[in-house]
Amino acid sequence: QQQVKQSPQSLIVQKGGIPIINCAYENTAFDYFPWYQQFPGKGPALLIAIRPDVSEKKEGRFTISFNKSAKQFSLHIMDSQPGDSATYFCAASIGNGNKLVFGAGTILRVKS
Amino acid sequence: GAVVSQHPSWVICKSGTSVKIECRSLDFQATTMFWYRQFPKQSLMLMATSNEGSKATYEQGVEKDKFLINHASLTLSTLTVTSAHPEDSSFYICSARDPDRGYGYTFGSGTRLTVV
Repeated sequence: QQQVKQSPQSLIVQKGGIPIINCAYENTAFDYFPWYQQFPGKGPALLIAIRPDVSEKKEGRFTISFNKSAKQFSLHIMDSQPGDSATYFCAASIGNGNKLVFGAGTILRVKS
Repeated sequence: GAVVSQHPSWVICKSGTSVKIECRSLDFQATTMFWYRQFPKQSLMLMATSNEGSKATYEQGVEKDKFLINHASLTLSTLTVTSAHPEDSSFYICSARDPDRGYGYTFGSGTRLTVV
């Protein structure tokens, strides 16, 4: 009930491509869905987040698509660059200030 | 934006000794901080929720006597790994939320602990 399932485990795209990472959840009480980017040896950094009252949110080259009925959300990275190569985590939480539940992570490699 | 500082960034200690990791919110007050553990190529595993002025809430399976958490002020939480063993070697990360900035959680840069 508390899990967030993330796929794929790893992803390789060419520079300029649009990698898509998907997450699914079961608990309908989740009301905050962030995506984090993590480089080796560093803490995760918040990329973009969405609440369930909207179906899409865009910030720069990053877009979240949210499908409330399917209980799924995804991250799209437009015009991907080698510098986007990192591990990406989706997460979810219930309410304000409560703990995050993380997906397993996706290792993205953007080939130049 | 909200800044969380974690120190040290890496530490090596001998088996049986204790190690303290600090997590500070630099530009906001955090009544709640979270401590995570991350193994190589794995996701973040929540260890405990640190509450200012009260006892931490530990996740199932996390030894509270092993991982001591103290949140003595609104800007500082500490994690002490007591009687460390090689299996405690891991990447430890803290996070906090600025209540004035909505739902966003900010993470520290992490601490690489190696127990030899």
